[in-house]
Amino acid sequence: DGGITQSPKYLFRKEGQNVTLSCEQNLNHDAMYWYRQDPGQGLRLIYYSQIVNDFQKGDIAEGYSVSREKKESFPLTVTSAQKNPTAFYLCASTLGQGRLGEQYFGPGTRLTVT
Amino acid sequence: AQSVTQPDIHITVSEGASLELRCNYSYGATPYLFWYVQSPGQGLQLLLKYFSGDTLVQGIKGFEAEFKRSQSSFNLRKPSVHWSDAAEYFCAVTKTSYDKVIFGPGTSLSVIP
Repeated sequence: DGGITQSPKYLFRKEGQNVTLSCEQNLNHDAMYWYRQDPGQGLRLIYYSQIVNDFQKGDIAEGYSVSREKKESFPLTVTSAQKNPTAFYLCASTLGQGRLGEQYFGPGTRLTVT
Repeated sequence: AQSVTQPDIHITVSEGASLELRCNYSYGATPYLFWYVQSPGQGLQLLLKYFSGDTLVQGIKGFEAEFKRSQSSFNLRKPSVHWSDAAEYFCAVTKTSYDKVIFGPGTSLSVIP
């Protein structure tokens, strides 16, 4: 079955450490996205990529970095510069330009930084 | 700036009762509208979408939504709620099919047996 996988489901880190969240899709989708979800705030866009080797900042990119070396993969690194990294992180993908609203989501990774 | 509001943070309904979740958007023109559902600890799933045409759209799991341009609303409805419908519901909007998606803050639905 096609879909998006995010690993791990739960991640714990000490303050000051960088951490990388994995996102893989086998839907052959062109575009991929990272969102952050906090209680009562909906989803906020961190980064998105519409093609391989290209990505753009979203609304809250500070303290995060991404890469898109393969169509299937879009890892997110939460750096030590992110002031409040504890959150639920969601990866999504869409078929490509023209279908941005129809997003397929992974199951999410809950990151806790202490 | 574009925005999406969902006036109800939390709604509780009895199983078998009807449901309406409200969504209002702020846009200059007719946007593309979506409803997503999120079960606890899971990702989001697309319930339905409106691009153009008939203002009443049908989705999965027995849900429907009605676009009302005069009220800038896109309310989600279901005639008879099941316990498995308990989840978080997000309204979303994009200006065109090429723009990023703006999500509302969500409405949490509880269902009483």
